[in-house]
Amino acid sequence: DSGVTQTPKHLITATGQRVTLRCSPRSGDLSVYWYQQSLDQGLQFLIQYYNGEERAKGNILERFSAQQFPDLHSELNLSSLELGDSALYFCASSPHPSEYEQYFGPGTRLTVT
Amino acid sequence: DAKTTQPTSMDCAEGRAANLPCNHSTISGNEYVYWYRQIHSQGPQYIIHGLKNNETNEMASLIITEDRKSSTLILPHATLRDTAVYYCIVRAYSGGGADGLTFGKGTHLIIQP
Repeated sequence: DSGVTQTPKHLITATGQRVTLRCSPRSGDLSVYWYQQSLDQGLQFLIQYYNGEERAKGNILERFSAQQFPDLHSELNLSSLELGDSALYFCASSPHPSEYEQYFGPGTRLTVT
Repeated sequence: DAKTTQPTSMDCAEGRAANLPCNHSTISGNEYVYWYRQIHSQGPQYIIHGLKNNETNEMASLIITEDRKSSTLILPHATLRDTAVYYCIVRAYSGGGADGLTFGKGTHLIIQP
């Protein structure tokens, strides 16, 4: 158990819909990262927040957005969903952006039908 | 970040040492070698990292060649629970902020009973 929690575990929704994935980092960790893992693209970094501020962006689509709240939990919002957005979405956290180790949560499996 | 090359898959007998190679011939002086693993559909798990010296922790040992162009992750006494995809990642320590990790395809290590 990494100490990172993600909800929900599974999510099934239809194309065109919007969903919100939630992540609670390990106690004391200020930095949160979001990753997407699909069969064809592998594990891809989406976005990073540090202490409430956006820190770095990866391959995040414009239809996707995220934020980190004052209590340090983070949400990833996915809108206008397409079939290709079906994937595992992982959240990771670290105490500071420069820390080497990222601790990953169990993931949310999103299925778009 | 430097590119890494890993074998697609490897087998190892239970109880034996598993040696996973990684080639990173374009590594720069300020880039570290990290290893993570992902057990089927779970969140990736940090294993070990190093710059130029060999490193050992409770999970594994990391051997980096003197020219730093390749490294080997060693699991000293592999168990069935070590069956996973192992990712070798090379990235710089930025100090002021870190982007997300760039995962390649990794090596699928299968421990045989």
